[in-house]
Amino acid sequence: EVQLVESGGGLVKPGGSLRLSCAASGFTFDTYSINWVRQAPGKGLEWVSSISSSGTYIFYADSVKGRFTVTRDNAKNSLYLQMHSLRAEDTAVYYCVRENQWLVAFDSWGQGTLVTVSS
Amino acid sequence: EVLMTQSPGTLSVSPGETVTLSCRASQSVGRDLAWYQQKVGQAPRLLIYDTYTRATDIPPRFSATGSGSEFTLTISSLQSEDLAVYYCQQYNNWPPVTFGGGTRVEIK
Repeated sequence: EVQLVESGGGLVKPGGSLRLSCAASGFTFDTYSINWVRQAPGKGLEWVSSISSSGTYIFYADSVKGRFTVTRDNAKNSLYLQMHSLRAEDTAVYYCVRENQWLVAFDSWGQGTLVTVSS
Repeated sequence: EVLMTQSPGTLSVSPGETVTLSCRASQSVGRDLAWYQQKVGQAPRLLIYDTYTRATDIPPRFSATGSGSEFTLTISSLQSEDLAVYYCQQYNNWPPVTFGGGTRVEIK
């Protein structure tokens, strides 16, 4: 069974930093691109970042570019999102999401971790 | 960036009815479109990809069609468990991947 389990969310002050983790199991992690997608409270879905299977190709939404960094450790079947200079508008549930191997549709989602940016 | 617009914002329907949800792209996305279902308190689930291909374990009452910039998701014989928000997503022109704002399906 494919599993993606996020952790690391919490309350952080504006301007602060936080590191999210995603532990994957049930599939061959190093053959899939993984994405972060977020959802502000009561709002829709917003794509945040994508990292290719080997980590060679990395993309970010303009809203987080320069502040967020995505990395992966294929030996540990893990994905990370380092977030700096956090803003109130970064408040959201962050989902770790597996990308289909042939197209950029998201076929498996974690349960999400809530990040709250507030003073 | 491709803007995705979904309509209507909310649909109220009775069990057993058929509902049609619309999704429009600001430019052609070919057939590179997916649909997701999100129930309250849950993560989204992939329903449809490549415009009309059902994902694993998705029942046939969910069907979809379209191409270019106009797409529809149809739920036949709506069941109470279909109460959810439905999102479309394009992956033709990315980054960024973009989602529609969602359509909420309510049960009368």
